Amino acid sequence: GENVEQHPSTLSVQEGDSAVIKCTYSDSASNYFPWYKQELGKGPQLIIDIRSNVGEKKDQRIAVTLNKTAKHFSLHITETQPEDSAVYFCAAPSSGGSYIPTFGRGTSLIVHP
Amino acid sequence: DTEVTQTPKHLVMGMTNKKSLKCEQHMGHRAMYWYKQKAKKPPELMFVYSYEKLSINESVPSRFSPECPNSSLLNLHLHALQPEDSALYLCASSQETARNYGYTFGSGTRLTVV
Repeated sequence: GENVEQHPSTLSVQEGDSAVIKCTYSDSASNYFPWYKQELGKGPQLIIDIRSNVGEKKDQRIAVTLNKTAKHFSLHITETQPEDSAVYFCAAPSSGGSYIPTFGRGTSLIVHP
Repeated sequence: DTEVTQTPKHLVMGMTNKKSLKCEQHMGHRAMYWYKQKAKKPPELMFVYSYEKLSINESVPSRFSPECPNSSLLNLHLHALQPEDSALYLCASSQETARNYGYTFGSGTRLTVV
């Protein structure tokens, strides 16, 4: 299956700082890369995604960048706020033609007021 | 309606009980999923339904039995569970099962087996 590595496992920042979370994948045929945010007591929520025909996508304070050559994609959050505190998961399609995504291990983001 | 609704939110059951988890979506999604999530871990796939047919069973023990009565509903029937089955059970849906669709997750059922 797809090997998806996500770093860091924990990220602590001050309010207003930027946060970056990175995922690497192994299947060069992968073409869809979503990011999910999971708040305490809730299910994961799709917050942004990118397809392989673009290198960057922005939505207000969040952005995702994709480097297909290096096989990694990153989530960028600018001007962090306490409500950004959550666990963030990346996902990438599994290898071998499977359509089932493999989730990264998750990053616990803590934004201190 | 852009939600996946799961009931109940919390469930405590004994090892001899039979219970069911329910999931509903009205987005016209044709793929529905059951995931199990342990604390501080990513969601772990259990079952995939595509067009109301079971397409993937990730070697889940038979004490978990999925059912898809129609395109909007997904059930997970539980029987003779073990304490280690205690977890957050998440339902999700996507437009299709293809590789380039994101998932919409429900808020989950927090299951405790005593």
